[in-house]
Amino acid sequence: GNSVTQMEGPVTLSEEAFLTINCTYTATGYPSLFWYVQYPGEGLQLLLKATKADDKGSNKGFEATYRKETTSFHLEKGSVQVSDSAVYFCALSSRTGANNLFFGTGTRLTVIP
Amino acid sequence: KAGVTQTPRYLIKTRGQQVTLSCSPISGHRSVSWYQQTPGQGLQFLFEYFSETQRNKGNFPGRFSGRQFSNSRSEMNVSTLELGDSALYLCASSLDPGQPNEKLFFGSGTQLSVL
Repeated sequence: GNSVTQMEGPVTLSEEAFLTINCTYTATGYPSLFWYVQYPGEGLQLLLKATKADDKGSNKGFEATYRKETTSFHLEKGSVQVSDSAVYFCALSSRTGANNLFFGTGTRLTVIP
Repeated sequence: KAGVTQTPRYLIKTRGQQVTLSCSPISGHRSVSWYQQTPGQGLQFLFEYFSETQRNKGNFPGRFSGRQFSNSRSEMNVSTLELGDSALYLCASSLDPGQPNEKLFFGSGTQLSVL
């Protein structure tokens, strides 16, 4: 079946620290992989995505590389800001273009000045 | 351009009642999906509608149902509410789920509390 295992939180970092949030997946076939972010009181927003092996998704300084050999899609950012404080969700779609996403449990990130 | 609009924002019901939640997608979007978010189970897919037809369904009991209208607006209904149905219900829309680079846009959700 399809599932996503995500690093447990919460994560607290100082401003300008390096961020890594681990995500591994189990899927049949070749899934598309996503990172979504949820700011307080808001819905989810797509942060980045990758649709095939070795693709790198990037946005707003965040990056993640689709690693088929390790079934991973870890989220990284070199220097976090207070405004990055949010909950981050890793997700997969088992079919291209499908809106049936399988989400990880979410990782709450708090960045302190 | 207006985003995905969900109403109401908050809802309080008692066990055994039924509830209807509404979602208006972004103008021009024809696909609407629903998700349930709880602290224990996280985000779980409920169903997806495209052109008034249910295209995909998650693993939820039949008490959860939905529909989509010709203007792409969607409603979901939960009958015979249980305490465990307390959750944030999120709606997401997209242009066409068949496209490989399709992007989902989420609403802010309806927070349902069952007492």
